[in-house]
Amino acid sequence: DAKTTQPPSMDCAEGRAANLPCNHSTISGNEYVYWYRQIHSQGPQYIIHGLKNNETNEMASLIITEDRKSSTLILPHATLRDTAVYYCIVRAFWGNQFYFGTGTSLTVIP
Amino acid sequence: NAGVTQTPKFQVLKTGQSMTLQCAQDMNHNSMYWYRQDPGMGLRLIYYSASEGTTDKGEVPNGYNVSRLNKREFSLRLESAAPSQTSVYFCASKMEGNEQFFGPGTRLTVL
Repeated sequence: DAKTTQPPSMDCAEGRAANLPCNHSTISGNEYVYWYRQIHSQGPQYIIHGLKNNETNEMASLIITEDRKSSTLILPHATLRDTAVYYCIVRAFWGNQFYFGTGTSLTVIP
Repeated sequence: NAGVTQTPKFQVLKTGQSMTLQCAQDMNHNSMYWYRQDPGMGLRLIYYSASEGTTDKGEVPNGYNVSRLNKREFSLRLESAAPSQTSVYFCASKMEGNEQFFGPGTRLTVL
């Protein structure tokens, strides 16, 4: 599975959009981009995933560049409860090996 | 529907002691996973089971054994605990092609 690179930390003002980048320059054609988050020391929580088209659900939007070498997770209106570590993972759809890396620690500031 | 449950929530062991961490899921998922998370680090895969009766090594399997008891249960055993195994252990499950669901974690300290 491809490795990912994320900034170690970011801040975002409450109510503003949080844009979390991820580089995955070695992603292969059958690999999807997944985003999870981990609040405090709880188990990670699934957010969204995509292959090449942009995706949106009730939690977030995922923007994947045309060459698929990078992506951005967007939390449209960040709240204090969105403070968490966000992990970007790439893996084959049927794959079982998940490499979480160290993620981005997002702090939402009142 | 409890999702993924783990027992115990906390455990303190002495070096050389053994213990089994239990995990169960009630979502009828085929695949189950064990991860460890050290302070300030991301999760690392220890073992996984793609289906009942099968297990495979992940990134950091040394010092651990697993058993897929049935479709619902996947246990992780430390035969001779070492301080380097002090960590938070997470169990997860999923259906093929879908996202993983995680348990609340077991916080293990080995003295």
